[in-house]
Amino acid sequence: GNSVTQMEGPVTLSEEAFLTINCTYTATGYPSLFWYVQYPGEGLQLLLKATKADDKGSNKGFEATYRKETTSFHLEKGSVQVSDSAVYFCALVGNQGGKLIFGQGTELSVKP
Amino acid sequence: DTAVSQTPKYLVTQMGNDKSIKCEQNLGHDTMYWYKQDSKKFLKIMFSYNNKELIINETVPNRFSPKSPDKAHLNLHINSLELGDSAVYFCASSQGGRTTDTQYFGPGTRLTVL
Repeated sequence: GNSVTQMEGPVTLSEEAFLTINCTYTATGYPSLFWYVQYPGEGLQLLLKATKADDKGSNKGFEATYRKETTSFHLEKGSVQVSDSAVYFCALVGNQGGKLIFGQGTELSVKP
Repeated sequence: DTAVSQTPKYLVTQMGNDKSIKCEQNLGHDTMYWYKQDSKKFLKIMFSYNNKELIINETVPNRFSPKSPDKAHLNLHINSLELGDSAVYFCASSQGGRTTDTQYFGPGTRLTVL
């Protein structure tokens, strides 16, 4: 079945450091890929998405490229801020349309 | 304007009780979902409805029953609550149930069963 694997957290960085959170997936067909963010005590917000191979999603300085050859969708940001501290979820929707399948989440903590 | 809203935000109850969580979306979407987030923050889909019709029904105990009175509302009723039902429950909606559709999430309902 379809699945998503993210790097284990927590990830602790200093402000202005470079961020990478790895995400790989297993899916048949042509899934859409998403990154959601959950701030403490809140619901999930869409951060970015990509719906076909080689698409790059970007938002708020974050970006991720849909790599079909490596089945990956790694999240990157060039310079993190304290306000980026949150849990980040990689997810896909595959051939069972509408069913979001999540990775286990990666907690990011950014220190001043 | 809140796009996807849930009530209540917190729910504390005793084992064996029956409770409901309500969800409403004002985005004009056709499809709504329920997800469960466990204590390790793992998220899993429970149900989805498209235009009041059940589309996805994951392996969930039949104590959980979704009800969609119209396409803007999807409520979750839970009978005979158990300790293991303690979790955060998220409602979401999307324009349709297509692979490319973005799902918008509510703020969550934290259920604690004592």
